[in-house]
Amino acid sequence: DQQVKQNSPSLSVQEGRISILNCDYTNSMFDYFLWYKKYPAEGPTFLISISSIKDKNEDGRFTVFLNKSAKHLSLHIVPSQPGDSAVYFCAASGYGNNRLAFGKGNQVVVIP
Amino acid sequence: NAGVTQTPKFRILKIGQSMTLQCTQDMNHNYMYWYRQDPGMGLKLIYYSVGAGITDKGEVPNGYNVSRSTTEDFPLRLELAAPSQTSVYFCASTTSGGFNQPQHFGDGTRLSIL
Repeated sequence: DQQVKQNSPSLSVQEGRISILNCDYTNSMFDYFLWYKKYPAEGPTFLISISSIKDKNEDGRFTVFLNKSAKHLSLHIVPSQPGDSAVYFCAASGYGNNRLAFGKGNQVVVIP
Repeated sequence: NAGVTQTPKFRILKIGQSMTLQCTQDMNHNYMYWYRQDPGMGLKLIYYSVGAGITDKGEVPNGYNVSRSTTEDFPLRLELAAPSQTSVYFCASTTSGGFNQPQHFGDGTRLSIL
């Protein structure tokens, strides 16, 4: 049973425009949410996170929004750059031991 | 600072063979994890460890074993390789200094069982 869901497996966006990635979760015990970025033949790299006590966290071009009542979070990348072309994974934790549940990932392609 | 190092990067095994995937980290992290990623899927937790001498099962532990004799190393053992274990394996670590810490990943081991 998948606890973290990422629909729309792929996204193409023009350079300079906004990329929006969505993630839904089912486990109400999750209290920490992360986005990872992954290039081919490399491991996932931590991008940004948000605690359940917040509804927004920003780091440069990356902003994560959390809607706890809807069990939904999103990642905004503004402006998108060609180097942002990668697979993005949403992950969540609430187990108290830093165990993560991952979504299937979204492929983002930024067109120059 | 090497971070999390996994070896080998690629390996082909025959059905029934055994092997150990190596993982070492130099960040003095107490928490370490093994995940597998199948094509088009997210990462699934195989085993994890909260410190030397302590290991526990994740979502998909069948067919695997782990040990944690030191803080730095967390090897994953496949005893009788099966085609269903063809996957990319990632090792990760994180500090135990408070919860809600991101995990740091190695670059993975791509394993094919034929």
